[in-house]
Amino acid sequence: DTEVTQTPKHLVMGMTNKKSLKCEQHMGHRAMYWYKQKAKKPPELMFVYSYEKLSINESVPSRFSPECPNSSLLNLHLHALQPEDSALYLCASSHILRGGDKAGELFFGEGSRLTVL
Amino acid sequence: DAKTTQPTSMDCAEGRAANLPCNHSTISGNEYVYWYRQIHSQGPQYIIHGLKNNETNEMASLIITEDRKSSTLILPHATLRDTAVYYCIVRVRYGGATNKLIFGTGTLLAVQP
Repeated sequence: DTEVTQTPKHLVMGMTNKKSLKCEQHMGHRAMYWYKQKAKKPPELMFVYSYEKLSINESVPSRFSPECPNSSLLNLHLHALQPEDSALYLCASSHILRGGDKAGELFFGEGSRLTVL
Repeated sequence: DAKTTQPTSMDCAEGRAANLPCNHSTISGNEYVYWYRQIHSQGPQYIIHGLKNNETNEMASLIITEDRKSSTLILPHATLRDTAVYYCIVRVRYGGATNKLIFGTGTLLAVQP
């Protein structure tokens, strides 16, 4: 199984709602990532988890709250979002090998397209 | 962190080789070059990577210059399904077991029938 599964595929929420995006992989990867992609722009790194611990937070606003409950799951909790947060949210996973090149081979999901009204 | 420069867009005729250039003149000796592509409305897809030597797999070939300041991704026989944004990325090393993959603006390759 070489898939990264993201749910839901589409989400519409109001600015006062609380929602979550979910990501799952069964490739035994111990690094997981959240990226955000606006229309016609490249993906922007948000968070990196390594061995289920947050290792990189790219100065993301606190209204985005990541969670990695186990080695196969990654969540992104959303609260009090703004319309400008509307974007495609991409989850990815990879192996962790110190200094190794396999760590750069990320497997991406299809993304969750979020619209904030 | 090494940055990459790619042309904004390129055209290629179906069945011909597509050669996508990338400049990474500030690359460090231990940084890898990765190529990904993103077909419209899909997640990015890993294509190939290299350090010093040229590399080939079932999808593409990667040619890295001897001074490592630039590289070229070659799709030997482009098809319409290869129309996508192609990202050249220098792997940013992070102190530890993880790494950051930072996407640049990429090249939109349009394969024409």
